[in-house]
Amino acid sequence: QVQLQQSGAELVKPGSSVKISCKASGYTFTSYDMHWIKQQPGNGLEWIGWIYPGNGNTKYNQKFNGKATLTADKSSSTAYMQLSSLTSEDSAVYFCARGSTMGITHWFAYWGQGTLVTVSS
Amino acid sequence: DVVMTQTPVSLSVSLGGQVSISCRSSQSLVHNNGNTYLSWYLQKPGQSPQLLIYKVSNRFSGISDRFSGSGSGTDFTLKISRVEPDDLGVYYCGQGTQYPLTFGSGTKLEIK
Repeated sequence: QVQLQQSGAELVKPGSSVKISCKASGYTFTSYDMHWIKQQPGNGLEWIGWIYPGNGNTKYNQKFNGKATLTADKSSSTAYMQLSSLTSEDSAVYFCARGSTMGITHWFAYWGQGTLVTVSS
Repeated sequence: DVVMTQTPVSLSVSLGGQVSISCRSSQSLVHNNGNTYLSWYLQKPGQSPQLLIYKVSNRFSGISDRFSGSGSGTDFTLKISRVEPDDLGVYYCGQGTQYPLTFGSGTKLEIK
């Protein structure tokens, strides 16, 4: 079965960077986009972007250009998201998510458990 | 960006009852391939969102037929019948027609 296992919670200082991971299993990692979604405490969901591990292509929500960088390691079936120049506004739970069909993802059928990033001095 | 507006913000229902949640988009969600990419998710307390409905009215694998989706263009509805205790949480609609993908702000369902 499809599983997305995310890395643990992070406590990071303002101005620093953090890299969180999402290890995929139960399917061919290189055949599906991996998306990242942000959820601030008590708030809704915000789409960050996707990476296609098959060729490394990415697409970002313009709002996160320069903030988030998506990468993927085919050898370990793991997707990564690096967040840079962190501020309190980046404190949130971040989810990786995948669609249910190959090709362009229009909905999210599988979600990781979420990674809490807390930005604090 | 496509703005997704959900109403109500919260609602309370008795077990066994029925509820409807509305989701309106600021632009038509009809894709140029003819499909309408409107989906519904439930986020139970302390959990990740789970997919309920995709392409307006298609139930995802394992989702009870108590959940039904309808609508077209810019106006969509999720209905939950015979509400059970496990249905509580926050319901989100999401559009997958146009980048950036966007979500509604959520509807919190409480059980009376």
